[in-house]
Amino acid sequence: DQQVKQNSPSLSVQEGRISILNCDYTNSMFDYFLWYKKYPAEGPTFLISISSIKDKNEDGRFTVFLNKSAKHLSLHIVPSQPGDSAVYFCAGHSGGGADGLTFGKGTHLIIQP
Amino acid sequence: SAVISQKPSRDICQRGTSLTIQCQVDSQVTMMFWYRQQPGQSLTLIATANQGSEATYESGFVIDKFPISRPNLTFSTLTVSNMSPEDSSIYLCSVGSWQTRNYGYTFGSGTRLTVV
Repeated sequence: DQQVKQNSPSLSVQEGRISILNCDYTNSMFDYFLWYKKYPAEGPTFLISISSIKDKNEDGRFTVFLNKSAKHLSLHIVPSQPGDSAVYFCAGHSGGGADGLTFGKGTHLIIQP
Repeated sequence: SAVISQKPSRDICQRGTSLTIQCQVDSQVTMMFWYRQQPGQSLTLIATANQGSEATYESGFVIDKFPISRPNLTFSTLTVSNMSPEDSSIYLCSVGSWQTRNYGYTFGSGTRLTVV
């Protein structure tokens, strides 16, 4: 049972435009959702998170939206830059910090010049 | 956030042998996590390593195959035992930063294991 789903394996966006990465989940016990960015041969780097009681969190060019009724979240990157080309993972957390994360399979974002 | 040093960064191993992966953190942390990323798949939690007690394993992972040590609050090891080609994956350690505003977890750079 895949609790966190990222249905787009890849996404291509032109530099300067908005990138929107989507994520769906099934576990209602998640209390936080996190987005990670991963370059080849490196570990995932934390980008932004959102509490399950919020519907939006913004940090610079990155905004995460949560639609709890639809069990859906999205990451918006605007404007997209060449350095944003990477694999993006959505993850859910439950347990008040005692448990690890449940990840989706990732979306490979490619920023075209 | 914490800085994690993980080694080796990569290794090629013969089937039937074992490999121990080390994870060193620059600050004391209560819990450390070990993940596996198989080719084309998501990161999957193997176990949670607590200092002073046995690790807690997720469904599908057992101590005999993935023994974990946690001798102090800054260090942990994961051993992949009696390896087969199916164990070829990236293995990552992680620590939780739930004390911080953003509730983010920090990851090591990973160990890319190839079993031949």
